[in-house]
Amino acid sequence: QVTLRESGPALVKPTQTLTLTCSFSGFSLSTNGMCVSWIRQPPGKALECLARIDWDDDKFYSPSLKTRLAISKDTSKNQVVLTMTNMDPVDAATYYCARMSRQLVRGKYYYYMDVWGKGTTVTVSS
Amino acid sequence: EIVMTQSPATLSVSPGERATLSCRASQSVSSNLAWYQQKPGQAPRLLIYGASTRATGIPVRFSGSGSGTEFTLTISSLQSEDFAVYYCQQYNNWPPATFGQGTKLEIK
Repeated sequence: QVTLRESGPALVKPTQTLTLTCSFSGFSLSTNGMCVSWIRQPPGKALECLARIDWDDDKFYSPSLKTRLAISKDTSKNQVVLTMTNMDPVDAATYYCARMSRQLVRGKYYYYMDVWGKGTTVTVSS
Repeated sequence: EIVMTQSPATLSVSPGERATLSCRASQSVSSNLAWYQQKPGQAPRLLIYGASTRATGIPVRFSGSGSGTEFTLTISSLQSEDFAVYYCQQYNNWPPATFGQGTKLEIK
């Protein structure tokens, strides 16, 4: 059974750096084709993809947030860490991590989120 | 960045009836589209990937269709547990994989 769980501070101050950890079980990020993503959802709003890290350590970031994000993995601990610098009140959201599965279409792989964690809510306030 | 537009924003349907939700991409995403269901206070749940393939454990009353820029999620006979918010997401172009703004399916 695949499970993911997000953890991190519930409250950060403006300008601080947010560090979130995704702890997972039921799969290994050292397995070919495995990926984990971070997604956020401000209260009452839509979902936004933030970053993705692949089994081969390839990393992808939202272009609009690229300068503030860093994603890393610890395969031995089954964890993925996301850091977001210079937090602002507009960054308040529920942050999710999700495992990704892939589909082979005409010789190319495409990745979608198939199992999500429950999310962790982050407030940004002084 | 590919913009995903869902319609309508809110859909009111009676239990037992059919619901049809639409999603449009600003450029072709081929069939690399997923649908998610989200209930209040919960994480999204994958329903459909590849535009029309049901995820594991998803009831057959959920079906997806479309390719290119126009997609549809159909729920054939609404059950009480189906009232939720539904999001489409394109994953043809990374980064980023973009979501629509959601359609809220409510009881009529």
